[in-house]
Amino acid sequence: DQQVKQNSPSLSVQEGRISILNCDYTNSMFDYFLWYKKYPAEGPTFLISISSIKDKNEDGRFTVFLNKSAKHLSLHIVPSQPGDSAVYFCAAGSWYSGGGADGLTFGKGTHLIIQP
Amino acid sequence: SAVISQKPSRDICQRGTSLTIQCQVDSQVTMMFWYRQQPGQSLTLIATANQGSEATYESGFVIDKFPISRPNLTFSTLTVSNMSPEDSSIYLCSAMMPGWNTEAFFGQGTRLTVV
Repeated sequence: DQQVKQNSPSLSVQEGRISILNCDYTNSMFDYFLWYKKYPAEGPTFLISISSIKDKNEDGRFTVFLNKSAKHLSLHIVPSQPGDSAVYFCAAGSWYSGGGADGLTFGKGTHLIIQP
Repeated sequence: SAVISQKPSRDICQRGTSLTIQCQVDSQVTMMFWYRQQPGQSLTLIATANQGSEATYESGFVIDKFPISRPNLTFSTLTVSNMSPEDSSIYLCSAMMPGWNTEAFFGQGTRLTVV
């Protein structure tokens, strides 16, 4: 059972426009969500995260929105730049008592292509 | 943020042999994890590397196949034992910084090919 889903394998956006990447999850016990950007032959690069008690977090061109009732989150990139072309992964995690955390559960990724 | 260095970055190994991957973090971190990314797939958690105690493995992964050490708060190793071609993957180390906006960082990965 896939707990974190990214239903769009790819997305093409014109340079300067907004890129919106979507992610759905099934486990309502997740405590936080993260977005990563990954280039081939490199490890994932952390972009932004959001706690489950928030509905929005913003960092520069990146904004993550969380809709808990719909179990849906999205990453907005404004404006989109050519260097944003990469695979984007959505991930989710949970805390456990004692201050520890489970490892992350990842979606399958969305390949974002920024067209000039 | 944390900078994570993994060694080796890639290797080609003979089946039946073992490879140990090292992960060094530039600061003390509470939590470290190991993941695998098989070709064309997403990242899958192998285990949580617990400092000073045995690692906690996810379903489908066992200690005999993937022994893990974590002697201190900045270093961990993952060994892929008795390798077969099915173990060909990218192996990634991760460190997590708990907080209001949780951050989790990854090394650049180790690309393993088993022949």
